[in-house]
Amino acid sequence: DTTVKQNPRYKLARVGKPVNLICSQTMNHDTMYWYQKKPNQAPKLLLFYYDKILNREADTFEKFQSSRPNNSFCSLYIGSAGLEYSAMYLCASTLGQAYSNERLFFGHGTKLSVL
Amino acid sequence: GQQVQQSPASLVLQEGENAELQCNFSSTATQLQWFYQSPGGSLVSLLSNPSGTKHTGRLTSTTVTKERRSSLHISSSQTTDSGTYLCADSGYNKLTFGKGTVLLVSP
Repeated sequence: DTTVKQNPRYKLARVGKPVNLICSQTMNHDTMYWYQKKPNQAPKLLLFYYDKILNREADTFEKFQSSRPNNSFCSLYIGSAGLEYSAMYLCASTLGQAYSNERLFFGHGTKLSVL
Repeated sequence: GQQVQQSPASLVLQEGENAELQCNFSSTATQLQWFYQSPGGSLVSLLSNPSGTKHTGRLTSTTVTKERRSSLHISSSQTTDSGTYLCADSGYNKLTFGKGTVLLVSP
């Protein structure tokens, strides 16, 4: 199975409430990423795990948390959702270290709407 | 950090016409990649082409590293080619995407 699965496909959240998005892959990939995509904008890297090591982007460091309890699963956690979090969240994975020449596999994404 | 510009923002073609998509980046690309997203689908890697010319099926990518640009040529476009095409580069150890080109191929 060469797919990256994301759940749910659509998520409604209230302002101030937590949000937890799930991603999984069974390709035994070393690195898993989370991107945020807003309309008419490029996908923006939020963070990635290489094995058990989490790397978060400096400008989104405090806004997103993540966990990777095993090789297959990776979550994206928002402690208190704001309107600006409304976006498509894309999970991706790759074999080897981040930004190697290995192919990147993306999930379908979770569309988060914060009301 | 790396910045990636794509043009055109959108492109409308008749089936059978060729498409030429452009990607320009601010710093020398090290792992230039092209991705495709069908309407409602996930992003799929098309090819990686940090330099030179690479062919796969009806796709041809040409990257001129010293001029910091890459192109994706789609020959004999089909309606199923419709979707969004993104280029990305992992210069500075960070995969940076462009905004994409939305391609619509009409029958």
